[in-house]
Amino acid sequence: GAGVSQSPRYKVTKRGQDVALRCDPISGHVSLYWYRQALGQGPEFLTYFNYEAQQDKSGLPNDRFSAERPEGSISTLTIQRTEQRDSAMYRCASSLADGSWADTQYFGPGTRLTVL
Amino acid sequence: KNQVEQSPQSLIILEGKNCTLQCNYTVSPFSNLRWYKQDTGRGPVSLTIMTFSENTKSNGRYTATLDADTKQSSLHITASQLSDSASYICVVGKSNDYKLSFGAGTTVTVRA
Repeated sequence: GAGVSQSPRYKVTKRGQDVALRCDPISGHVSLYWYRQALGQGPEFLTYFNYEAQQDKSGLPNDRFSAERPEGSISTLTIQRTEQRDSAMYRCASSLADGSWADTQYFGPGTRLTVL
Repeated sequence: KNQVEQSPQSLIILEGKNCTLQCNYTVSPFSNLRWYKQDTGRGPVSLTIMTFSENTKSNGRYTATLDADTKQSSLHITASQLSDSASYICVVGKSNDYKLSFGAGTTVTVRA
């Protein structure tokens, strides 16, 4: 596709369930980022991949959150045993190169997660 | 405390009028500053990017300024259109660091 795509666009789940959020970056983009965005706030960094390698996961809130990008393209963000505080918009972004200053990140439409 | 502060939080302007959004940052060492436009329900889209050596950058009716000494930036929208209604997010990058610091955004509403 022409841009970053994410699925599902909306996810409603019950507390305690596991969820998997998918990101399909722009073809050929080396870098992939996951962000969480609360209503009325800017995106908050979660984790970063360079190809298939997870270079930085310092933004993941706790060990219930994990992410993978096994073939250096599609990535999955998994949240285990979801809690209500996990409710947010989860955004994925990709960039062409290695995250240097000139490297523009292109954002996907996001997955709106609601934990009941 | 957020390292990127934006003001105002929101504003309403009439179509055809101009407006200016402010961004103050404390991110250091500074590398670059970007303004993103985020339409409702969409992901942010980059408008401009400036490094410390640039003090102004235009993209159509959008003009961004940067004062790296005072660590301030502004985004000026000229002759606003209804399609300018969106959230405008100031984003600051550090030197040698892929992580970006995002402001909370300014929500602009343009009314006919």
